[in-house]
Amino acid sequence: EPEVTQTPSHQVTQMGQEVILRCVPISNHLYFYWYRQILGQKVEFLVSFYNNEISEKSEIFDDQFSVERPDGSNFTLKIRSTKLEDSAMYFCASSGTSGRQETQYFGPGTRLLVL
Amino acid sequence: QKEVEQNSGPLSVPEGAIASLNCTYSDRVSQSFFWYRQYSGKSPELIMSIYSNGDKEDGRFTAQLNKASQYVSLLIRDSQPSDSATYLCAPLGRDDKIIFGKGTRLHILP
Repeated sequence: EPEVTQTPSHQVTQMGQEVILRCVPISNHLYFYWYRQILGQKVEFLVSFYNNEISEKSEIFDDQFSVERPDGSNFTLKIRSTKLEDSAMYFCASSGTSGRQETQYFGPGTRLLVL
Repeated sequence: QKEVEQNSGPLSVPEGAIASLNCTYSDRVSQSFFWYRQYSGKSPELIMSIYSNGDKEDGRFTAQLNKASQYVSLLIRDSQPSDSATYLCAPLGRDDKIIFGKGTRLHILP
């Protein structure tokens, strides 16, 4: 069964460093998302991406964050200058073979720890 | 501010009994509703989707939706220890953004 994959599974970085989290969405999906979950808190929407541009973004997704689909398979989240409060689990999701409002399937997540 | 309210639990249910999970949401334009299961340290895993008012059954799971009351629920029949997890109510807004609830922790007692 097709699934969303994410790399790395864990990432430790120093405050102020740049990190890139990578995702491979399900191959025929058209819509891509990033969510995050701070330990003990709820899953929060960061950004959605369709047709090579951002569709929606939350207040969390400030200028330090960017997303890119550099090729036909990868979808990346970059945090330019990490802060302690960026420590969280980051989930990629994908959906939509024929339109919007379809089920979003989540990857296994990348656990980011900022020291 | 769009909100999703769930009882945080823990909800303790004996093995073999029915677990009932409830959720209310504030965004009236939500049309699609999902229940995800999340084990500790893992990603959300889709359990059920429901789009129309009424009941939808899939194996041991039944989702119920009442858009007028802005209420969605999940019933788990014949609860198993492997059902112990956090269940996330997830309405999907018109902007395709899922607003997750904090989740209900379910504990199935062997």
